[in-house]
Amino acid sequence: DAGVIQSPRHEVTEMGQEVTLRCKPISGHDYLFWYRQTMMRGLELLIYFNNNVPIDDSGMPEDRFSAKMPNASFSTLKIQPSEPRDSAVYFCASRWDRGNNEQFFGPGTRLTVL
Amino acid sequence: GESVGLHLPTLSVQEGDNSIINCAYSNSASDYFIWYKQESGKGPQFIIDIRSNMDKRQGQRVTVLLNKTVKHLSLQIAATQPGDSAVYFCAENQAGKLIFGQGTELSVKP
Repeated sequence: DAGVIQSPRHEVTEMGQEVTLRCKPISGHDYLFWYRQTMMRGLELLIYFNNNVPIDDSGMPEDRFSAKMPNASFSTLKIQPSEPRDSAVYFCASRWDRGNNEQFFGPGTRLTVL
Repeated sequence: GESVGLHLPTLSVQEGDNSIINCAYSNSASDYFIWYKQESGKGPQFIIDIRSNMDKRQGQRVTVLLNKTVKHLSLQIAATQPGDSAVYFCAENQAGKLIFGQGTELSVKP
């Protein structure tokens, strides 16, 4: 298995632009999570899905952030409009709906908003 | 103004020594705990986990100890190697969500 796949790996954009981050979870996993990691705040959960349905979006910082999961193999995290304080590494993770709660993380997308 | 970042706790050990990384968790109702390792430029990687009905679990070169009385978790790495240099996070499971600690940076001196 290729593991969780994220794209792009790096994104540099200017303030005000729309940014879309993409994630392909591990095949067969029922849960998908989006995290943000910064030096200031550490690793924060933004939103998670179960069977493509958003379950908890309480970590989404503002209305500028939105996430979708149109099918079991794809999810997007969109920021519109982007701001410099959104600069961070964004991780996607997935897991099965059985057994323990181990989450498998992707390599992350490093976002820089100028 | 200048932003101030988190200063991660740092543990520096000599190659071959044993390392102990500690973590305090917040919720006495947490039923499951995981240790993750994050190398520079990569996503967190699972190391070992433990359920709340256990107090010790061993893996290959790693041991996790759980003390529910004081809500404390530790990760022991035997015979630490340069490849163990990374940031280590503990995470507790709360209602299906993992809540991560701030992390500890382990530096292994050759």
